[in-house]
Amino acid sequence: GAGVSQSPSNKVTEKGKDVELRCDPISGHTALYWYRQSLGQGLEFLIYFQGNSAPDKSGLPSDRFSAERTGGSVSTLTIQRTQQEDSAVYLCASSRLGQGDSPLHFGNGTRLTVT
Amino acid sequence: QKEVEQDPGPLSVPEGAIVSLNCTYSNSAFQYFMWYRQYSRKGPELLMYTYSSGNKEDGRFTAQVDKSSKYISLFIRDSQPSDSATYLCAMPVSDSWGKLQFGAGTQVVVTP
Repeated sequence: GAGVSQSPSNKVTEKGKDVELRCDPISGHTALYWYRQSLGQGLEFLIYFQGNSAPDKSGLPSDRFSAERTGGSVSTLTIQRTQQEDSAVYLCASSRLGQGDSPLHFGNGTRLTVT
Repeated sequence: QKEVEQDPGPLSVPEGAIVSLNCTYSNSAFQYFMWYRQYSRKGPELLMYTYSSGNKEDGRFTAQVDKSSKYISLFIRDSQPSDSATYLCAMPVSDSWGKLQFGAGTQVVVTP
């Protein structure tokens, strides 16, 4: 079946602009996660959704970052007033359950470059 | 100091050699230990996992955990060019497998 889909695959934006990154999880997966992968920091957890609610936002690096999920499916990660340090690959993952031994299925990411 | 340390490599080996990868960690509460494989410009995929200490074998892959030393290893036997990828160790930080603490990843290159 279809895997996790992310769009756009690449995004170049100017410093100070807002960007929206989209994630379409595997159908039926209730849990959705956003991670960021950068050269200096590796893979970092950003936020977790169970259904439409976000019980864990502890990884969001600043209040410029926000995310929402609607209809228990598609999620959007928004970065306002982008900075050069926001340049990274943003990965979305989903899992069937948000607890226990339910492995993550990752998308191929959105490569964000802030100039 | 990071909770999970992993040498970023690159690690270059000839085809057919054994690849040895490892991570050290500091959080003694970790119970599950995972290895993800990530091909260039792709998302990570779960390769295998181990619960607590011990060994686990899956085909050409063997995962080892030594909780007393806080040290985990992944061995790839009879390596193939298709094994060229970045290998990341990861541990769940809670009872859910979704929130993971990742190592930096080791880039492996298997040359024909």
